[in-house]
Amino acid sequence: QTVVTQEPSLSVSPGGTVTLTCGLSSGSVSASFYPSWIQQTPGQAPRTLIYTTNSRSYGVPDRFSGSILGNTAALTITGAQADDESDYYCVLYVRGAFRVFGGGTKLTVL
Amino acid sequence: QVQLQESGPGLVKPSETLSLTCTVSGGSISPYYWSWIRQPPGKGLEWIGFFSNSGSTNYSPSLKSRITISVDKSKNQLTLKLISVTAADTAVYYCARDRGSNGGFDFWGRGALVTVSS
Repeated sequence: QTVVTQEPSLSVSPGGTVTLTCGLSSGSVSASFYPSWIQQTPGQAPRTLIYTTNSRSYGVPDRFSGSILGNTAALTITGAQADDESDYYCVLYVRGAFRVFGGGTKLTVL
Repeated sequence: QVQLQESGPGLVKPSETLSLTCTVSGGSISPYYWSWIRQPPGKGLEWIGFFSNSGSTNYSPSLKSRITISVDKSKNQLTLKLISVTAADTAVYYCARDRGSNGGFDFWGRGALVTVSS
């Protein structure tokens, strides 16, 4: 059973920088897991921000960036804004076929 | 712009079958992978399974025995059937265009809430 781990909650000050991570309970995340990041504001449908580690979806501001940091995938928000306050999920492509979501990170901007 | 719209009964009785349809507009369903994803109230996202552009399917191991995902190309629709439902299957169900072997999803529907209750 593949378990994808994320910080349950993080906070950032307006204008600040925050990094969310996406790891595995056993092993390392690499680009071969094609990590993707999804934003979900309460009551709204999910929206994909980043796919294939570091490619931004159309219309996503460049303050959102994806990377591999050590043994995790990472989403960095530079210059956080109030409307970045959302839940963020990573999803990994596992064993060539399955998609596995992390438990999500609740980001507070305050 | 591709748009996805989920539809189906909002209430299903325990032990019965949940059936949902996702209608794709603004593009053809044929060349792509399509996934179903669900989110129980107050909880995170869970991948259910996909239908590929070659007609193959792959399902979450935890749901595999109860799921069927299919595509009707003539109607540009994706369907989900989940049998023997329980209250634990209460969730918002989303369809999404799946990027296949490149990972992730590029378009999402708005979701359909299905409640399992007698």
